[in-house]
Amino acid sequence: NAGVTQTPKFRVLKTGQSMTLLCAQDMNHEYMYWYRQDPGMGLRLIHYSVGEGTTAKGEVPDGYNVSRLKKQNFLLGLESAAPSQTSVYFCASSQTRLGGDYGYTFGSGTRLTVV
Amino acid sequence: GNSVTQMEGPVTLSEEAFLTINCTYTATGYPSLFWYVQYPGEGLQLLLKATKADDKGSNKGFEATYRKETTSFHLEKGSVQVSDSAVYFCALKDFGNEKLTFGTGTRLTIIP
Repeated sequence: NAGVTQTPKFRVLKTGQSMTLLCAQDMNHEYMYWYRQDPGMGLRLIHYSVGEGTTAKGEVPDGYNVSRLKKQNFLLGLESAAPSQTSVYFCASSQTRLGGDYGYTFGSGTRLTVV
Repeated sequence: GNSVTQMEGPVTLSEEAFLTINCTYTATGYPSLFWYVQYPGEGLQLLLKATKADDKGSNKGFEATYRKETTSFHLEKGSVQVSDSAVYFCALKDFGNEKLTFGTGTRLTIIP
């Protein structure tokens, strides 16, 4: 089925460990986004990409890095995980610069716990 | 900067009740407005949208009208069903800005 696929769905990390979250979309969308969702805070943008090979900082980028080497993939990395990064992470994609007007397509999320 | 303020939840209603979830916004430009819905264990899905003043977005029996004069985009449904139980997010996006600004979400539970 077409859409946005996130892997893994669940992960538990120890403080200081590193990991990479993978987001893949098969809709040929130009724009991709990483959000984190925390109770009482809605969704906050971490990083985004406006095309292959590009990345930009969002609202809460500290502690995260991203890469968009291929158009269909957007990777989110945590170099040294901290308990404050315990959250649910959502990837999204959109078709055009005005993609918000047509809605974003979201993945089903990755639940990350840092202990 | 942009911000979205949503009615705090959780909201619990009986089946067939009338639903209103309030949403107001602050934006520097002329935003597009959205309601997203998140069912348990899933990602967000676009429910409806409106791109200019007085536009009414509608889908699955839900409606919301873009009110520029009151900077509001309240979500309504005349008769809710158990299957409407979910978390609802109001969001806005300014022209030329990549970022969707979300409200904090309102958890809705419908009791049979």
